[in-house]
Amino acid sequence: QKEVEQNSGPLSVPEGAIASLNCTYSDRGSQSFFWYRQYSGKSPELIMFIYSNGDKEDGRFTAQLNKASQYVSLLIRDSQPSDSATYLCAVNQRAGANSKLTFGKGITLSVRP
Amino acid sequence: DAGITQSPRHKVTETGTPVTLRCHQTENHRYMYWYRQDPGHGLRLIHYSYGVKDTDKGEVSDGYSVSRSKTEDFLLTLESATSSQTSVYFCAIQARPYYGYTFGSGTRLTVV
Repeated sequence: QKEVEQNSGPLSVPEGAIASLNCTYSDRGSQSFFWYRQYSGKSPELIMFIYSNGDKEDGRFTAQLNKASQYVSLLIRDSQPSDSATYLCAVNQRAGANSKLTFGKGITLSVRP
Repeated sequence: DAGITQSPRHKVTETGTPVTLRCHQTENHRYMYWYRQDPGHGLRLIHYSYGVKDTDKGEVSDGYSVSRSKTEDFLLTLESATSSQTSVYFCAIQARPYYGYTFGSGTRLTVV
């Protein structure tokens, strides 16, 4: 069973702090990595993707990938109350000639004003 | 979400009845997926499709069937609904392998 594990959470940070969300995966053949944000009662929304080792920055968000350690993380700088949501890590794994996303169970982030 | 719609948005049905959920996309994407989301379990793949009449089972496919006769429509059928199938169902589309998914708004299904 190919797994994607996230910290159980919930995670609470004060407004303006850095929130660090972590994810590990078991399949070394994984090709691409995603972070989704899901507000309560809404559908998951793609906020970051990363394919190569290293960091990828987009505004206040930074995705970090370390394939050797099978580890992907999301940093949210200057956290805002509007960042309060559940964050899902997803890993795209080979499935024959195609691929499938496997999701972690998510971690709930609460940003305190 | 733009380009992908699910219907109905909410449904209450009785145990033992068949139920069909519809996913419609206007993006002409080949890849489509059905997930269910439950507290403590996260998103779990029910069935997926890599093209018209090309479907396969996911990790929680028992009690579900799918059909895809057109690129734009992917139907999920609960053959005989049970209370354990009470859940939120999400459809997702994908442009190419290894790309991310775009999710529909979901269907909240309650089986009483």
